[in-house]
Amino acid sequence: EVQLVESGGGLVQPGGSLRLSCAASGFTFSTYSMNWVRQAPGKGLEWVSYISSGSSTIYYADSVKGRFTISRDNAKNSLYLQMNSLRDEDTAVYYCASEPTVDYWGQGILVTVSS
Amino acid sequence: DIQMTQSPSSLSASVGDRVTITCRASQGISNYLAWYQQKPGKVPKLLIYAASTLQLGVSSRFSGSGSGTDFTLTISSLQPEDVATYYCQKYNSAPRTFGPGTKVDIK
Repeated sequence: EVQLVESGGGLVQPGGSLRLSCAASGFTFSTYSMNWVRQAPGKGLEWVSYISSGSSTIYYADSVKGRFTISRDNAKNSLYLQMNSLRDEDTAVYYCASEPTVDYWGQGILVTVSS
Repeated sequence: DIQMTQSPSSLSASVGDRVTITCRASQGISNYLAWYQQKPGKVPKLLIYAASTLQLGVSSRFSGSGSGTDFTLTISSLQPEDVATYYCQKYNSAPRTFGPGTKVDIK
């Protein structure tokens, strides 16, 4: 059974940092490109970042460029999102997800940025 | 960057109706277009990828078409379990933008 399990979310003050992790199992993680997608409360889906299977290609949304860093450890079947200089508008449920040719999504983890 | 728009933003239809949602890209994206269904409080579910390929296990009531800039998602016979918000997403290049969503409910 395919599983993606996010962790590391929570409440953080504006300007603070968090590191999200996504643990993958049930599929050959090292062969799949991965993404982070977020959804602010009551809003639509927003793509955040992409990383290729071997980490050679990385993309970011303009809204997080320079503040967020995506990475992965294929030996640990894990995906990460380092989030720095967090803003109120980064408050959202964050999902790790595969490329849209397979339907692999985590259950989501809430990040709340508030003083 | 390529912008993605969807129309309508919401619709209400009767059970059994044929429903069509449109997604438009501001520039050509070939067929690198996916459709997702999201029910309240749930994780998005992939319905269609490559513009017209039905994801395994998804009801054949759903179909997708289009290429280039104009795409459609069709529900052939709307059912109560189809009440959800539907999103398109481009994935030919970065940014992998989602459309703003179309909320579908039952009249």
